[in-house]
Amino acid sequence: TQLLEQSPQFLSIQEGENLTVYCNSSSVFSSLQWYRQEPGEGPVLLVTVVTGGEVKKLKRLTFQFGDARKDSSLHITAAQPGDTGLYLCAGLNSGGSNYKLTFGKGTLLTVNP
Amino acid sequence: NAGVTQTPKFRVLKTGQSMTLLCAQDMNHEYMYWYRQDPGMGLRLIHYSVGEGTTAKGEVPDGYNVSRLKKQNFLLGLESAAPSQTSVYFCASSSAGRVVAEAFFGQGTRLTVV
Repeated sequence: TQLLEQSPQFLSIQEGENLTVYCNSSSVFSSLQWYRQEPGEGPVLLVTVVTGGEVKKLKRLTFQFGDARKDSSLHITAAQPGDTGLYLCAGLNSGGSNYKLTFGKGTLLTVNP
Repeated sequence: NAGVTQTPKFRVLKTGQSMTLLCAQDMNHEYMYWYRQDPGMGLRLIHYSVGEGTTAKGEVPDGYNVSRLKKQNFLLGLESAAPSQTSVYFCASSSAGRVVAEAFFGQGTRLTVV
């Protein structure tokens, strides 16, 4: 079983602060996805990173895939209350099957006004 | 645009009762999944299907059965519910034939077993 560890598990910050959450594994993944989940809803895809060292930006969110494709980070600049939610990373198995997503336990982010 | 629809949204069962959760997707996706989400545990894969008529076990399959008789539907069954199966269940689907496939999730079914 390929495990993904996310840190921190909980994060409570003030509006305007910056933050970084991490997703680490001892396994290599063919790609990593980041999802955001709001209360009472299913997760929604934010971004997919495929190439080692890849950096993607989505407005104030910056995603990075590690060079060895074992880890990823999500950095949020000037957080807003609307960023509150559960952030989940998910890895796709390397070596063939592109359909089996393994999820981390998530980082619960609260941005206070 | 429905996407992935789960029914029911809430259910309370007594220990030993059985039930079926229904997942329907209208995106013509080949792959479908059932996950459970518990506090502090993230999403854990129960069963999945890579096509009509095929199913496979995920990370936590014990106590559950699935069927995919039609491409658009994926059913999750609990034959004899146990309190340990109290959880939020999510169905998801994704397309085949792509290097990276986005998973689309339903809104979840909150199941309580008493």
